[in-house]
Amino acid sequence: GNSVTQMEGPVTLSEEAFLTINCTYTATGYPSLFWYVQYPGEGLQLLLKATKADDKGSNKGFEATYRKETTSFHLEKGSVQVSDSAVYFCALTVGGSQGNLIFGKGTKLSVKP
Amino acid sequence: GAGVSQSPSNKVTEKGKDVELRCDPISGHTALYWYRQSLGQGLEFLIYFQGNSAPDKSGLPSDRFSAERTGGSVSTLTIQRTQQEDSAVYLCASSPGRRGNTIYFGEGSWLTVV
Repeated sequence: GNSVTQMEGPVTLSEEAFLTINCTYTATGYPSLFWYVQYPGEGLQLLLKATKADDKGSNKGFEATYRKETTSFHLEKGSVQVSDSAVYFCALTVGGSQGNLIFGKGTKLSVKP
Repeated sequence: GAGVSQSPSNKVTEKGKDVELRCDPISGHTALYWYRQSLGQGLEFLIYFQGNSAPDKSGLPSDRFSAERTGGSVSTLTIQRTQQEDSAVYLCASSPGRRGNTIYFGEGSWLTVV
C-alpha cells in the first residue's frame, strides 16, 4: 500500500541552525509529494510540492527534492528562524487527482532564539 | 469566503449523542475532503467529494460516520452515537479538483466526547 514515514520529533534547534526532516515513502504508481506545515493555532498549509522524480520544491527558504531512487523527500532549510516553529507533515498522493493525501505522523519543530 | 470555513470550531458532546460538523469550501472548488487528526494516529483521510458525489469513502472508520455535500458546496460530516475514541480534530479541505492543484485546509473542528 501507500504510506509515508517521517522522522519523529520533537526537533529542537537554535536559530540559524540547519534543518533536515527526513521523509520516505512507499507508493504504487507515481506519487506526487508534499510538505505541509501547521503553525500553532492555525490550519494546515501547503509548504512545497514536487510532482515527478528529481523535481525540487521550494518555498520560504525550505527545499525538498523528489528522489525516486531512495523514495525520499527530505525537507531542508539552511538557517531556521523562531517563526519556523511548527509541525511539519510529509504527504503523498497517487492517481490522477490530488485527492486522498496520505500523511506522515508529523514532526514538531521548535526553534529557540 | 477567502478560505475553507469550518464550524463549530470546538464541540464537547456526551458519549452516545450525534454531532454534525460543517464545512464551507472555497468558492468554486469542486473537490472537498474530510480528514481526522488525532494523537497517535496522525492525519487520517476520511472521505473525498467531487461535486456532490463521493468516489472515495474508504477512510470512514465505521457506519456511524457519514457525510454529504449539497449544491457542490457545503458539506456536513455526521457522527452518530459518538464514542470517546471519536475525539479528534476534524479537518476539511478543498481544491479546484484538477491534477496538480493545491489542497487548502480549514482550521478544523475540535471534537471532544466525554
